[in-house]
Amino acid sequence: GAVVSQHPSRVICKSGTSVKIECRSLDFQATTMFWYRQFPKQSLMLMATSNEGSKATYEQGVEKDKFLINHASLTLSTLTVTSAHPEDSSFYICSARVPGRNTEAFFGQGTRLTVV
Amino acid sequence: DQQVKQNSPSLSVQEGRISILNCDYTNSMFDYFLWYKKYPAEGPTFLISISSIKDKNEDGRFTVFLNKSAKHLSLHIVPSQPGDSAVYFCASTQGGSEKLVFGKGTKLTVNP
Repeated sequence: GAVVSQHPSRVICKSGTSVKIECRSLDFQATTMFWYRQFPKQSLMLMATSNEGSKATYEQGVEKDKFLINHASLTLSTLTVTSAHPEDSSFYICSARVPGRNTEAFFGQGTRLTVV
Repeated sequence: DQQVKQNSPSLSVQEGRISILNCDYTNSMFDYFLWYKKYPAEGPTFLISISSIKDKNEDGRFTVFLNKSAKHLSLHIVPSQPGDSAVYFCASTQGGSEKLVFGKGTKLTVNP
């Protein structure tokens, strides 16, 4: 099946710094990618839809200035957590769907962010 | 308002028996449904899907059943294996939309 690669898998950063997470579709082109956040024992919360060549669409309650998304090519989307705080510590996951109707979404491996 | 609901947060079954995971949805416009399996600290892995024009789809030990009138789908795993222990998410989408709506997940434990 299609492969989505996410990097890094784990990152620890200091409060106030920024962290960039990359999501790549390895064997297909993705005009749209999705960024999720998972809190402990909770579902995947969609944060934003990343659109190649245009602005991301953020879900209600997600700060777009806090979570910067860039989708500069058909195979790469990045999520930058700016001025990170301990409450931003979470598991972040990206996904992309193979173009076409009724196709499955493939997920990256996820990134465990810990802000200290 | 949660459009996709998995009302059982956890399920425990014995190895070799059947596991049945349930999912309900409220949006009648949903026309494509998927099940994902997730291990801790990993991204979800696609398992099986079903289109609204079908009521059953089978792939090896996994079968998904869809009851459109009840807005209910279920995932059957038989026989269950210890390696099936994970969190299972159902997800739905509509009209070719790329956005998936996920349930909260059910943690399945298969005991040896």
